[in-house]
Amino acid sequence: GAGVSQSPSNKVTEKGKDVELRCDPISGHTALYWYRQSLGQGLEFLIYFQGNSAPDKSGLPSDRFSAERTGGSVSTLTIQRTQQEDSAVYLCASSPAHTEAFFGQGTRLTVV
Amino acid sequence: GNSVTQMEGPVTLSEEAFLTINCTYTATGYPSLFWYVQYPGEGLQLLLKATKADDKGSNKGFEATYRKETTSFHLEKGSVQVSDSAVYFCAPHRSYSSASKIIFGSGTRLSIRP
Repeated sequence: GAGVSQSPSNKVTEKGKDVELRCDPISGHTALYWYRQSLGQGLEFLIYFQGNSAPDKSGLPSDRFSAERTGGSVSTLTIQRTQQEDSAVYLCASSPAHTEAFFGQGTRLTVV
Repeated sequence: GNSVTQMEGPVTLSEEAFLTINCTYTATGYPSLFWYVQYPGEGLQLLLKATKADDKGSNKGFEATYRKETTSFHLEKGSVQVSDSAVYFCAPHRSYSSASKIIFGSGTRLSIRP
């Protein structure tokens, strides 16, 4: 596709359920980033990938959060046993060789 | 690692006023410097960038100059419009092959009054 695609665009889930958020980066982009943005707040780094490996997972808030990337392309961010504090917009971005990042529209997650 | 300090918001200006949003950074080596903008209800997008010292990035009437001496990349616009109302993020980032995360400033919310 022409840009970074994230799905779903909105997700409402019950507390305690698991959710999967998907990111389709721009074809050929080697770097992929996940960020979280709470209402009115800045960008909180979660994890990034270079190819399929994740050199920096330091931003994942807890062991309930995990992410993987396959084939150097699609990435999935999984949140297990969701809590209300997980409610936020989850943003994915991709980048060719660490130049500017191209962002998706985000997934708005609401935990009720 | 990189870090960035960005002017606190919100900033409210009248249309046609002059805008400056300050950004200073610390970084290993000489990163590329970026400003991203997030319009209401939209995702982040690149506004402008500069890749080496004394370079000036410009777009949509906005400008920022890479100042190595002061490690700054202040965003300026001579005459703002209502359509410039958005959140602006400064981001230094190394652009060579070794992998690194992008660190964003805290964001500056700009509101322009008609």
